[in-house]
Amino acid sequence: EAQLVESGGALVQPGGSLRLSCTASGFTFSNFDMNWVRQAPGKGPEWVSSISTSSHTIYYTDSVKGRFTISRDNAEESLFLQMDSLTADDTALYYCARATGWYGSLDCWGQGTLVTVSS
Amino acid sequence: EIVLTQSPATLSVSPGERATLSCRASQSVSNHLAWYQQKPGQAPRLLIYGASPRATGIPARFSGSGSGTEFTLTISSLQSEDFAVYYCQQYNNWPRTFGQGTKLEIK
Repeated sequence: EAQLVESGGALVQPGGSLRLSCTASGFTFSNFDMNWVRQAPGKGPEWVSSISTSSHTIYYTDSVKGRFTISRDNAEESLFLQMDSLTADDTALYYCARATGWYGSLDCWGQGTLVTVSS
Repeated sequence: EIVLTQSPATLSVSPGERATLSCRASQSVSNHLAWYQQKPGQAPRLLIYGASPRATGIPARFSGSGSGTEFTLTISSLQSEDFAVYYCQQYNNWPRTFGQGTKLEIK
């Protein structure tokens, strides 16, 4: 069974940094494009970033461009999100999600890791 | 950015009845439209991809239709476990976007 497990969420001060990790199991990680999706308390999901299987193609939502960096390690079957210059607007539950293709839906989600940005 | 508008925001339906949820895109997304179900404390779960095919393990009472800018999710006979929030998502353009959700509640 495909499974994704996120970690790294924490309480961080505004302007701080955090690195999220997502570990995959039960499927061939290197064959799938991967995504980060976040959900602020009481709000709907918001796509954050996508990375292709080989890391050659990466996209970000505008609000995180220049502050967040997505990466992956296929050998370690892991996905990462480096988050810098955090603001209160980044407070959310961050999900790792597998895509069925570059133009694909998100068919496997982790349970999320909570990032809280507050002084 | 493609805006997805879901209606209604809240839908009250009795168990056993049919529910029809709508998602309208601000421009064509072809058939690159998915529907997700989310229950409290859980991650979203893929129901429908490509506007109409059901994801693995999704019961036949869930059906999707539409293309271009108008999409519908229909639940033919509501079961107790179907009461949740439903989101549509387009994956035709960057940035990927989600609708604001429809809360399906028990009448």
